[in-house]
Amino acid sequence: DGGITQSPKYLFRKEGQNVTLSCEQNLNHDAMYWYRQDPGQGLRLIYYSQIVNDFQKGDIAEGYSVSREKKESFPLTVTSAQKNPTAFYLCASSWTVDSTNEKLFFGSGTQLSVL
Amino acid sequence: AQRVTQPEKLLSVFKGAPVELKCNYSYSGSPELFWYVQYSRQRLQLLLRHISRESIKGFTADLNKGETSFHLKKPFAQEEDSAMYYCALSGHNYGQNFVFGPGTRLSVLP
Repeated sequence: DGGITQSPKYLFRKEGQNVTLSCEQNLNHDAMYWYRQDPGQGLRLIYYSQIVNDFQKGDIAEGYSVSREKKESFPLTVTSAQKNPTAFYLCASSWTVDSTNEKLFFGSGTQLSVL
Repeated sequence: AQRVTQPEKLLSVFKGAPVELKCNYSYSGSPELFWYVQYSRQRLQLLLRHISRESIKGFTADLNKGETSFHLKKPFAQEEDSAMYYCALSGHNYGQNFVFGPGTRLSVLP
């Protein structure tokens, strides 16, 4: 099951704790994305990256941070500043960000819950 | 502002019946439209995209620019079509290519 791998599948966060969600892809895609999925709200973009060492904020970046040190990896950190972190987090990738016809490839997701 | 709406949270139809999942969008320009699907215990995946004008698993979608709609249709629903369906648009606003609707859960009853 290649493509995009997210880990862990389930994650629990304590109050005041930072947690990091992993996303790795072996598709050689330049662009990677993090979405948050809440019931009834669809997918909302947190951060995206079009190239190594570059990333941009999406619609709901507050309380989150990312890094892109390697093309294959785009980890997401949910910081203690994120007051409502319980959600399903999806990582995705595509060949580029520039084309409007790009197909997104998704990981299997991480369910984050607050203890 | 770009936005995608899907008015039905849940749509239930009987096997063999026609199905239409509604999608409307707002965008100042000419976006590309997509349907993504998430079957139970599977990843979210592309079902079809407007630019390809394709039929996948019997589903089709027509872009109506006048009504700003991209409804997904299938003439005869199958039980294996039960899934969560998301309409999405992609525009030329750099870096925010994809905007997703809230999704419609399709349940095909035997």
